[in-house]
Order: sequence, then C-alpha cells, then structure tokens
Amino acid sequence: AQSVAQPEDQVNVAEGNPLTVKCTYSVSGNPYLFWYVQYPNRGLQFLLKYITGDNLVKGSYGFEAEFNKSQTSFHLKKPSALVSDSALYFCAVKISGYSTLTFGKGTMLLVSP
Amino acid sequence: SAVISQKPSRDICQRGTSLTIQCQVDSQVTMMFWYRQQPGQSLTLIATANQGSEATYESGFVIDKFPISRPNLTFSTLTVSNMSPEDSSIYLCSVVPPLSSGNTIYFGEGSWLTVV
Repeated sequence: AQSVAQPEDQVNVAEGNPLTVKCTYSVSGNPYLFWYVQYPNRGLQFLLKYITGDNLVKGSYGFEAEFNKSQTSFHLKKPSALVSDSALYFCAVKISGYSTLTFGKGTMLLVSP
Repeated sequence: SAVISQKPSRDICQRGTSLTIQCQVDSQVTMMFWYRQQPGQSLTLIATANQGSEATYESGFVIDKFPISRPNLTFSTLTVSNMSPEDSSIYLCSVVPPLSSGNTIYFGEGSWLTVV
C-alpha cells in the first residue's frame, strides 16, 4: 500500500519570505513523487516531480522540492513567496509508472502581503 | 503536457437525475483516469479508463453508479447516475500524455457538480 501525509492543513507566510509545505510518504519500493497546485475554482496543475536522479527538483513558478529517502519526505519549497502562490497544494505518490496516484489531503498556503 | 477539456464545467442537478461529463484530450492517450474531489477533501480515484478495455473501478465505486465510456484515444465520458446531494463534488478527468516522463498525470479543469 502507498500513502502520503501532509501534516499541515494550512501554512501562513508573509510575501517575500521562504515557504515550505511538508510531505512524507510511505511506499514499498522506489517512489515517484509529485506536487500539484489547485488555485481557487480551478483544476489541478502539475508543479514538479521526482522520479530518479538529483534529489533537488525544480518546477514551475519558482518552486522546488527535495527528495529525502532516509526521511521519506518530499517537501515543497520556494525561496520567496508571492501573494499569487496562495492556493491548495497536493503531494502525491506512486510506486511505478503504471500504478495509480495516491494524494495527500492537501495543504492550503496563504501568503499575506 | 496535454490540453484536457471537460464539459460541463459546472452544473446544478436535481437529485435522482443523471449527468454525463465529457472529457476531450488534444492528443491520443492510452491512460485516462477519473477522480472525485468532495468539498474540502483530497482527490479519490474513481476508475481507470484505458482504451480497449473495460474501466477498472476502485473500491467503493461501481459501474452502475459511475458508468464510463472510452470510445477512442481522445475522449471519455463519466456518468453520475441517480444523483444525491452526497455526489456534489468536483469530477476531474486526467491523462498520461504521450512520452510523459514517469507517466506524469495531467488534469482537466474539472466539472463542478452541485446536487440539490
């Protein structure tokens, strides 16, 4: 079985400050890890993924995430938050290219001016 | 990625009725999935709808309630049958585009259904 935990329902950060949205996972095998963002009244947009290789992956809108195998984590980060980053962020995992994707419960990011 | 269009984008439905959601993709895709996102919740996979085979439903979802068609590699429909207020959700079509690294899944904008 595979699972994803996003321990924070909401993250608050001031504009210009760095942000981190946490994600830990549990799989039997090597994980494929993803972050998606959902803006208000919109569908999900793909942000970034880790399949293999460099543990630090960069994605859209200046976001990056670091894969940490020993801590089974894949935290989403951005050096300087924007008000427009305010949205719902989902971490997701699967165990192979052909397995189904399991989502975390989501973390609401609120960036204040 | 892929351009995924869903219709309707929103609808208000009477309980007991059925609604069919359409998903159109701008490229031929083998793997297509339907998800549900209930209010304030995460995404739950309803079924996998690969072309050339019957849809595979996840635990808790049945074909009689959520019949799916996949007539070709660019189109699929999901019907929500005999709706109740508990079916009020966002229904999302998603695909794995050709040559997608790690079989990354991309989503449509969703169909936002409210059952009254």
